[in-house]
Amino acid sequence: KAGVTQTPRYLIKTRGQQVTLSCSPISGHRSVSWYQQTPGQGLQFLFEYFSETQRNKGNFPGRFSGRQFSNSRSEMNVSTLELGDSALYLCASSYGPGLQPIYNSPLHFGNGTRLTVT
Amino acid sequence: AQSVAQPEDQVNVAEGNPLTVKCTYSVSGNPYLFWYVQYPNRGLQFLLKYITGDNLVKGSYGFEAEFNKSQTSFHLKKPTALVSDSALYFCAVKNSMDTGRRALTFGSGTRLQVQP
Repeated sequence: KAGVTQTPRYLIKTRGQQVTLSCSPISGHRSVSWYQQTPGQGLQFLFEYFSETQRNKGNFPGRFSGRQFSNSRSEMNVSTLELGDSALYLCASSYGPGLQPIYNSPLHFGNGTRLTVT
Repeated sequence: AQSVAQPEDQVNVAEGNPLTVKCTYSVSGNPYLFWYVQYPNRGLQFLLKYITGDNLVKGSYGFEAEFNKSQTSFHLKKPTALVSDSALYFCAVKNSMDTGRRALTFGSGTRLQVQP
């Protein structure tokens, strides 16, 4: 079974631009979460989607947004990029066959998209 | 609010020796606890989890972790370290009562260096 796929692997953008990152979860996984990883702040939760609905959002400004499609693929968008947005953005999927996510099932992470803002 | 502390930024151990990576947590209810490992330029890989039941949890690649409720700890252990175990290890917690969200709170990570 293919793992979580994130594209692109690397991105270089300039301040003020916007960026869209893509995540394809493991087949059959309906829950997708996004995390930001930086050396200073560590791993921080961005948001979580299940069945095309945002279930939860972390403490990030409104410049950070996301969505999930009917095939469970997800995208996140960052507008008006700032230097501090430089980070590794990780997507994770988890199993949830029913109407609700299974909250203790492990997360399966992609290899991330490394975003550099200059 | 919940939190995770990994008190050691780095742990050094010789190959063949046992290893321990420490983790303590704070959560208002009963915890779900996880360990993940990250290799360079890769995402996190799930190692093991504690949900309920036996305090000793066995996971992938020979790793195990012991849940200690009184000490609010969930230390990762392996009897025999390998050079290939060198990586960044993250402990994570979730409040089991918080059924409305899946988000994990991660520790700051511990870099494990296994010397040949």
